[in-house]
Amino acid sequence: DTGVSQNPRHKITKRGQNVTFRCDPISEHNRLYWYRQTLGQGPEFLTYFQNEAQLEKSRLLSDRFSAERPKGSFSTLEIQRTEQGDSAMYLCASSQPGTGNTIYFGEGSWLTVV
Amino acid sequence: GNSVTQMEGPVTLSEEAFLTINCTYTATGYPSLFWYVQYPGEGLQLLLKATKADDKGSNKGFEATYRKETTSFHLEKGSVQVSDSAVYFCALSVTNAGKSTFGDGTTLTVKP
Repeated sequence: DTGVSQNPRHKITKRGQNVTFRCDPISEHNRLYWYRQTLGQGPEFLTYFQNEAQLEKSRLLSDRFSAERPKGSFSTLEIQRTEQGDSAMYLCASSQPGTGNTIYFGEGSWLTVV
Repeated sequence: GNSVTQMEGPVTLSEEAFLTINCTYTATGYPSLFWYVQYPGEGLQLLLKATKADDKGSNKGFEATYRKETTSFHLEKGSVQVSDSAVYFCALSVTNAGKSTFGDGTTLTVKP
């Protein structure tokens, strides 16, 4: 069990550029979640997948954001036409139903939009 | 809607002091309650949890009891160490634990 892996860990991009983050969940976990965390605040739920199906999206996920999990394994989160307000840490987590409602977070991907 | 309110920080304690971080919640339904810890530059780690009223979660000397009557889940530790310095988040989940609602976090600094 190697844990939830995210990359890149840090990304600095110019406003208007597109960025993509990748998350590799714990291998046997079929649920995968994305959160956003800004400085001084707790994580905010963005979206989640069960296998390859995206089951829920928060209204925080604007049209510029898209998440995929094409084969039910890794997931990508793409942000198009980045804005300074997108600067945050993007956290991925995974879980397996029946494991006592426990989710496991990755170390996060920091995005800075300049 | 669901919400979590945490004691504002930062909290600074001397080593071996007693720690309490307050957490209260509002929720529709019967939530599970969690405490997570986040060390600098890292993601969140589950510290402890409780899934029903009067349950006590415990781990690494930390404890929290699910109090339905006061809608609280306060985190306590009898004797803190420098290595406990981190940000602590209280969270709840009504349905799916992955869809959790988090508080804003409390920063704890423990001085030797």
